[in-house]
Amino acid sequence: NAGVTQTPKFQVLKTGQSMTLQCAQDMNHNSMYWYRQDPGMGLRLIYYSASEGTTDKGEVPNGYNVSRLNKREFSLRLESAAPSQTSVYFCASRGPGGSPLHFGNGTRLTVT
Amino acid sequence: DAKTTQPNSMESNEEEPVHLPCNHSTISGTDYIHWYRQLPSQGPEYVIHGLTSNVNNRMASLAIAEDRKSSTLILHRATLRDAAVYYCILRAVGSGNTGKLIFGQGTTLQVKP
Repeated sequence: NAGVTQTPKFQVLKTGQSMTLQCAQDMNHNSMYWYRQDPGMGLRLIYYSASEGTTDKGEVPNGYNVSRLNKREFSLRLESAAPSQTSVYFCASRGPGGSPLHFGNGTRLTVT
Repeated sequence: DAKTTQPNSMESNEEEPVHLPCNHSTISGTDYIHWYRQLPSQGPEYVIHGLTSNVNNRMASLAIAEDRKSSTLILHRATLRDAAVYYCILRAVGSGNTGKLIFGQGTTLQVKP
């Protein structure tokens, strides 16, 4: 099983450029999440989606947009990248009730 | 505000047990307690979770206080591969069943040979 797949693995952007981080899961999970992790810090929730067609803001949503395209895919878009968005981005999905999170391998983004 | 409180760091000797504490005084009745760990340069991985009763699996044990306001992750024999950041998290207060999951800073565990 692939689990949670994130693309790309690495990306370098210039300030002001836009890009979309892709995430797909094959576990038929309803809930999906986007986190960012800055060097030496814990994970911070950007956006999450409890089910297809719904999205909600997390702790640090400013500068990001998300799309829950279908049950499998949850994308994160940076419309105008800023150096403060340099981070490692993790996508995760979760089944019902108390089910655990399953994480992707992350996308390392650098904005210069 | 953080929903869980953990020590910033802990040390252990290899082959000895490790008890990682977590306080969650605002836990609600339907919140599960999850533990994850993150090895250097990797994404977080699930360790264990529970609701009320103590739980065991091949990786660790989870001891939950009777009032559920604290829990302890127990690694029975620490190895060098257990050196990681350990996160205790629970469903955010007020999120109902939407599953919003907030991570705190975690505990950095160092294992000495």
